[in-house]
Amino acid sequence: DAGITQSPRHKVTETGTPVTLRCHQTENHRYMYWYRQDPGHGLRLIHYSYGVKDTDKGEVSDGYSVSRSKTEDFLLTLESATSSQTSVYFCAITGGGQDTQYFGPGTRLTVL
Amino acid sequence: QQQVKQSPQSLIVQKGGISIINCAYENTAFDYFPWYQQFPGKGPALLIAIRPDVSEKKEGRFTISFNKSAKQFSLHIMDSQPGDSATYFCAALKGGSYIPTFGRGTSLIVHP
Repeated sequence: DAGITQSPRHKVTETGTPVTLRCHQTENHRYMYWYRQDPGHGLRLIHYSYGVKDTDKGEVSDGYSVSRSKTEDFLLTLESATSSQTSVYFCAITGGGQDTQYFGPGTRLTVL
Repeated sequence: QQQVKQSPQSLIVQKGGISIINCAYENTAFDYFPWYQQFPGKGPALLIAIRPDVSEKKEGRFTISFNKSAKQFSLHIMDSQPGDSATYFCAALKGGSYIPTFGRGTSLIVHP
């Protein structure tokens, strides 16, 4: 398995609170991604990073921000969580060439 | 706009049968087509992938068939087993891009 960890693995929070999810990789890969997975929608890209301090928006970026201060860490922040952000969040990295994405184990977030 | 359309959304197959999942794309710039397999509670993992220079790729019981003129590709699982029960995602990438476009996924259940 690619060395990707996500923390926390589960979180329950209340509407309006800030939430930060962490993705950590040990592969020294350049590209990192945050996806959310919801029934009927598959995997939707929130933000991605192509280097330290280099990030860009995906298709569902509203309400989310990211930061990457080190190659190995990619943080996803919900500034003020809403119930519509209840989802399973996956971090991924792309190794070597463009060919393969390796996914982390996921974080299940529930916003009450 | 859904650039990769995946069907069916769900599929039930008997043990030993053939599972077939189809994907269609619109963008002729796509040149790499991976399939991911996701078990419950886990992140997706690369299963098999194909490039347009071949019409078929086989790895064990899993085969990708690719029809460039029709802009379609499909995953065939021969001799389906209960352990194949998972969600399957097709994806497509443009040359030089590190951002895959995913289909919405197919939930496969293989009955013993």
